[in-house]
Amino acid sequence: ELKVEQNPLFLSMQEGKNYTIYCNYSTTSDRLYWYRQDPGKSLESLFVLLSNGAVKQEGRLMASLDTKARLSTLHITAAVHDLSATYFCAVIRLNTDKLIFGTGTRLQVFP
Amino acid sequence: GAGVSQSPRYKVAKRGQDVALRCDPISGHVSLFWYQQALGQGPEFLTYFQNEAQLDKSGLPSDRFFAERPEGSVSTLKIQRTQQEDSAVYLCASSSTDRGAYNEQFFGPGTRLTVL
Repeated sequence: ELKVEQNPLFLSMQEGKNYTIYCNYSTTSDRLYWYRQDPGKSLESLFVLLSNGAVKQEGRLMASLDTKARLSTLHITAAVHDLSATYFCAVIRLNTDKLIFGTGTRLQVFP
Repeated sequence: GAGVSQSPRYKVAKRGQDVALRCDPISGHVSLFWYQQALGQGPEFLTYFQNEAQLDKSGLPSDRFFAERPEGSVSTLKIQRTQQEDSAVYLCASSSTDRGAYNEQFFGPGTRLTVL
């Protein structure tokens, strides 16, 4: 059974600091997604990672994928308050179309 | 339309009532997905359509849950005899290819269902 784990579950960080969120998954997959969710809102797509070694960056966020280790990271550089949200990673189960989501990381950035 | 839309946005039901949740996918999107998101949790897959065909309903939690997409566009998720554990946000997503696994899923705003 495909399981997706994220850590940490909660992250409180000061503006200007750097931090990394980790996403581990249990079986082979070739697609990994990162989503952002603001309270009471739906999921906003951030990154789609399609192959081993893939790295994508958008603003202060950078995502990478290591398919051999079954690990993805979401790195936050010089955090700002606007990044406060819950971040989910999700993996497509091979030969299916369903997304399997991690538990989410709730990020709070304070001054 | 510009994105996936869902209605109603909020629904309060008394235990035992039937509810129907609607999803309008992005125009032209072949694949449509329903997910259930409990409070503080990640979304969990319920069911998937390719056009009007329901190809996977393995995530539906019980036979009280029923989904349809009769004309391959709008979809309805129906929950019969609602129970308190059905309280959650129900998210709909659509993607543009026949094989949704290789294309990005775009999510609607969700319907927050509260069962009293």
